[in-house]
Amino acid sequence: NAGVTQTPKFQVLKTGQSMTLQCAQDMNHNSMYWYRQDPGMGLRLIYYSASEGTTDKGEVPNGYNVSRLNKREFSLRLESAAPSQTSVYFCASSKDRGYEQYFGPGTRLTVT
Amino acid sequence: QKEVEQNSGPLSVPEGAIASLNCTYSDRGSQSFFWYRQYSGKSPELIMFIYSNGDKEDGRFTAQLNKASQYVSLLIRDSQPSDSATYLCAVTTDGDFNKFYFGSGTKLNVKP
Repeated sequence: NAGVTQTPKFQVLKTGQSMTLQCAQDMNHNSMYWYRQDPGMGLRLIYYSASEGTTDKGEVPNGYNVSRLNKREFSLRLESAAPSQTSVYFCASSKDRGYEQYFGPGTRLTVT
Repeated sequence: QKEVEQNSGPLSVPEGAIASLNCTYSDRGSQSFFWYRQYSGKSPELIMFIYSNGDKEDGRFTAQLNKASQYVSLLIRDSQPSDSATYLCAVTTDGDFNKFYFGSGTKLNVKP
């Protein structure tokens, strides 16, 4: 089992460009999450999907959109990237809400 | 007020000693508590979770939970240099088990 996979691993964008971060899990988990991690700020929840077909905002959703494509896949889209979105982005999944979460390897995004 | 507070460290301990990592949380109704380890440049990996007051042991790791004091700790016995990492505490909030709130982490250095 690969667990949680994310693509790409690294990305550099110019201000105003758009991109989609991809995430997939092979653990048959119901819930999936997107976080960003900035120095000194810890992990902050951007969006989550409690189950297939549902998505909800987390702590810092502005500037992002998500799609739960199916049970395995959960993507994060930046429509118009800003330097403030420079961060490391982690996708995670859990069996169900409230259970332990398992993280992907992360995407390191720089917006210039 | 942050939901989850951790001392950023670094906490330095000699090899073979007990490392004690602490975390306090603000939501009295929090139900689930998690400890993650994160090596530099890597994703968080789950060490332990605890739901009930008291101690939970897993190998060299012991999680301790005191809901009355809103305090959760992680003890690492026989610390090894390979335990050097940042340790993240995460808590679910009362009423929304989807949302994990992470502390900003404590950096542990284990000196040979």
